[in-house]
Amino acid sequence: DAGITQSPRHKVTETGTPVTLRCHQTENHRYMYWYRQDPGHGLRLIHYSYGVKDTDKGEVSDGYSVSRSKTEDFLLTLESATSSQTSVYFCAISSTNTIYFGEGSWLTVV
Amino acid sequence: QKEVEQDPGPLSVPEGAIVSLNCTYSNSAFQYFMWYRQYSRKGPELLMYTYSSGNKEDGRFTAQVDKSSKYISLFIRDSQPSDSATYLCAMSSNTGNQFYFGTGTSLTVIP
Repeated sequence: DAGITQSPRHKVTETGTPVTLRCHQTENHRYMYWYRQDPGHGLRLIHYSYGVKDTDKGEVSDGYSVSRSKTEDFLLTLESATSSQTSVYFCAISSTNTIYFGEGSWLTVV
Repeated sequence: QKEVEQDPGPLSVPEGAIVSLNCTYSNSAFQYFMWYRQYSRKGPELLMYTYSSGNKEDGRFTAQVDKSSKYISLFIRDSQPSDSATYLCAMSSNTGNQFYFGTGTSLTVIP
């Protein structure tokens, strides 16, 4: 158990509404990540954080923002959800050159 | 060209078979190599971790790294229906905090 909790685990939302996914870690690791996973594309990095208030973009960051006000929490926000953001989202933490994933948040935008 | 290439399969084998899963990569700076198992509607779970070249064995699983060929493999001996999952390879360089993933190979082990 990597000590990562994601919430909500499942969510259905309407196009144009804001959505926030939360990731909580108990391991006190510096690096945290948000990925999305889609058929044919695999895991794609959205944003990552290397410390409190320190974040950077990944390869698919458009339409997403993040915040990290505490070491243990990393929030992913979809400001105005679109159908193309229907996906499963994984939070991850890294430790000693490897990466551990949460159980995922399934988001459907209708 | 993607940094990491992995055949998506699907791969279907009978119970008890030896399974070979592979990834190739292009970045010679990669030093850390990982294999993850992902069951349906679950998060990826770290299965094997190796540093640099060589083999590592853990029970029925063997991870192999050939840096000269930029090729990594995961072997599963005496495969079981419970091994049915998607297997992802991943790698990183000495900076240690950027990770590159294959798209995953779907494996089904038939009883």
